Amino acid sequence: EAQVTQNPRYLITVTGKKLTVTCSQNMNHEYMSWYRQDPGLGLRQIYYSMNVEVTDKGDVPEGYKVSRKEKRNFPLILESPSPNQTSLYFCASFSPANTEAFFGQGTRLTVV
Amino acid sequence: SQQGEEDPQALSIQEGENATMNCSYKTSINNLQWYRQNSGRGLVHLILIRSNEREKHSGRLRVTLDTSKKSSSLLITASRAADTASYFCATEDSNYQLIWGAGTKLIIKP
Repeated sequence: EAQVTQNPRYLITVTGKKLTVTCSQNMNHEYMSWYRQDPGLGLRQIYYSMNVEVTDKGDVPEGYKVSRKEKRNFPLILESPSPNQTSLYFCASFSPANTEAFFGQGTRLTVV
Repeated sequence: SQQGEEDPQALSIQEGENATMNCSYKTSINNLQWYRQNSGRGLVHLILIRSNEREKHSGRLRVTLDTSKKSSSLLITASRAADTASYFCATEDSNYQLIWGAGTKLIIKP
């Protein structure tokens, strides 16, 4: 079954404690992306990757890091989380040119 | 990036009625896609319309695309309670970037 798997689904952490949200896809997609979704602000892109070892900043990259060492995995790293990073996070993947994007189920992060 | 604007931001209709949502965008596109999001869940792809297509159907969904006006509409016919969700349009630009609208929240009243 084609899918994007994010973990964890829910996470409560304290300010400054480094965390990683994992994302894995089984469709051999070149393109992967991280978004955060906040009420009234829609989906905002954090980082994206067009292939292995190629990553680029999206609209709201501050405070986040990513890596793309393998095609299937695209982890999101928060080196020093802050309360303003409390949000719902989504990972997505797709193959460019007229194909749909697949989304993970989301990670609800709370930073206290 | 966000370039799309959905209209209306929220829509509440009776079950059985048709629901129409609109999306406008700014740059040239390869295609335009519509997605549904149930509360707090991941987005699910509904339908894709290519830039050289004007209309597309899938079950109770009808999508139109007017590239001269840079706009699209999503029509859901004979709405059901299960259609209650947020609906997003996304445009794929020439760099293969997906650019998202802010979404329309649809509520179907029983």
